[in-house]
Amino acid sequence: EVQLVESGGGLVKPGGSLRLSCAASGFTFRSYSMNWVRQAPGKGLEWVSSISSSSSYIYYADSVKGRFTISRDNAKNSLYLQMSGLRAEDTAVYYCARDGFLTTVVTALFDYWGQGTLVTVSS
Amino acid sequence: EIVLTQSPGTLSLSPGERATLSCRASQSVSSNYLAWYQQKPGQAPRLLIYGASSRATGIPDRFSGSGSGTDFTLTISRLEPEDFAVYYCQQYGSSPITFGQGTRLEIK
Repeated sequence: EVQLVESGGGLVKPGGSLRLSCAASGFTFRSYSMNWVRQAPGKGLEWVSSISSSSSYIYYADSVKGRFTISRDNAKNSLYLQMSGLRAEDTAVYYCARDGFLTTVVTALFDYWGQGTLVTVSS
Repeated sequence: EIVLTQSPGTLSLSPGERATLSCRASQSVSSNYLAWYQQKPGQAPRLLIYGASSRATGIPDRFSGSGSGTDFTLTISRLEPEDFAVYYCQQYGSSPITFGQGTRLEIK
């Protein structure tokens, strides 16, 4: 069974940093591209970042470019999102999502999702 | 950036009825790379449809997707009580990846 478990969320002050993690199990993690998607309270879904299986291809939404860094450790079956320069508008539930196709590139079709971790940016 | 506009914003129907949800793109979606997701309160989204019309694994056949280019539709043939939720469309054919704002399907 595919499982994705996010952690690392919490309350942080504007301008602060936070590192999110996503622990994957139930599939061959190193073979799949992975993604982060967020959802502000009561709002819709927003794609944040994607990384290919070997980390060769990395993409960011303009809203987080230069502030967030996506990475992965295939030996640990883990995905990360390092967030810095946090703003109030970054407040959201952050979901880790698996790419839906077994390819070496990112497709950004999200077939499995974790339950999310809440990041709150407030003074 | 491709803007996806979903309509209606809210759809009120009864169990057993047919639901038709629309997703219109501001420009053509490459290779019809259009997906639909269902989200219930407090839960993560669930993939229903990809490639505009292919059902994801385990999705009941009462869910169907259609359309191409800029106009796409999600149809639920006979609503079950568990189908009342928020539905999002998403295009994954070009960067940046974008979602529609969602359609809330509520019990009438």
